[in-house]
Amino acid sequence: NAGVTQTPKFQVLKTGQSMTLQCAQDMNHEYMSWYRQDPGMGLRLIHYSVGAGITDQGEVPNGYNVSRSTTEDFPLRLLSAAPSQTSVYFCASSSLPGQGLNGYTFGSGTRLTVV
Amino acid sequence: GEDVEQSLFLSVREGDSSVINCTYTDSSSTYLYWYKQEPGAGLQLLTYIFSNMDMKQDQRLTVLLNKKDKHLSLRIADTQTGDSAIYFCAESIGGGADGLTFGKGTHLIIQP
Repeated sequence: NAGVTQTPKFQVLKTGQSMTLQCAQDMNHEYMSWYRQDPGMGLRLIHYSVGAGITDQGEVPNGYNVSRSTTEDFPLRLLSAAPSQTSVYFCASSSLPGQGLNGYTFGSGTRLTVV
Repeated sequence: GEDVEQSLFLSVREGDSSVINCTYTDSSSTYLYWYKQEPGAGLQLLTYIFSNMDMKQDQRLTVLLNKKDKHLSLRIADTQTGDSAIYFCAESIGGGADGLTFGKGTHLIIQP
């Protein structure tokens, strides 16, 4: 019972590099979202998706792209990494209201450092 | 806009009850959640309450919702050292389709 799987767990990038953070869930959840967690800031929503083919911006979308070609996968792309994107990134998924447990299930996070 | 506020720290003695408070501003919130985060770990859903409820109890956890004052609280009975963590309050609107808005988290410190 994997739940939400994020890879990699740790990553160091140089300024200007691009990379993709992977997120996969095996619970057939429609809703998925990406957050970043910074000290003293809590979690802030980057992008979210309500189903395959549908994505939208959250509170802090600049510098990130997402796509949702399948129900299971929701990758987050950093186009040109900047030191300000050093953070811990969490992916989460949720079923539709009334279908099973309400509330988002979170992955274990990706700790990204941009130097 | 949406805003969720929490105190940053709470210190309690082992065996006492802990009460973590949260206020939110969006009156259209449909679900309100409490998540727990231990050091270096992800977020664990503790409990949630639907906006048409006033109270929910689950073993040692009691959630109280005051919709008039937009105030949510989490009470942990008989606090144990394993309860030491950061507790996040979060709200969703429209059933959660557009993600969650989190507070900054309350660090629960347990004194022996």
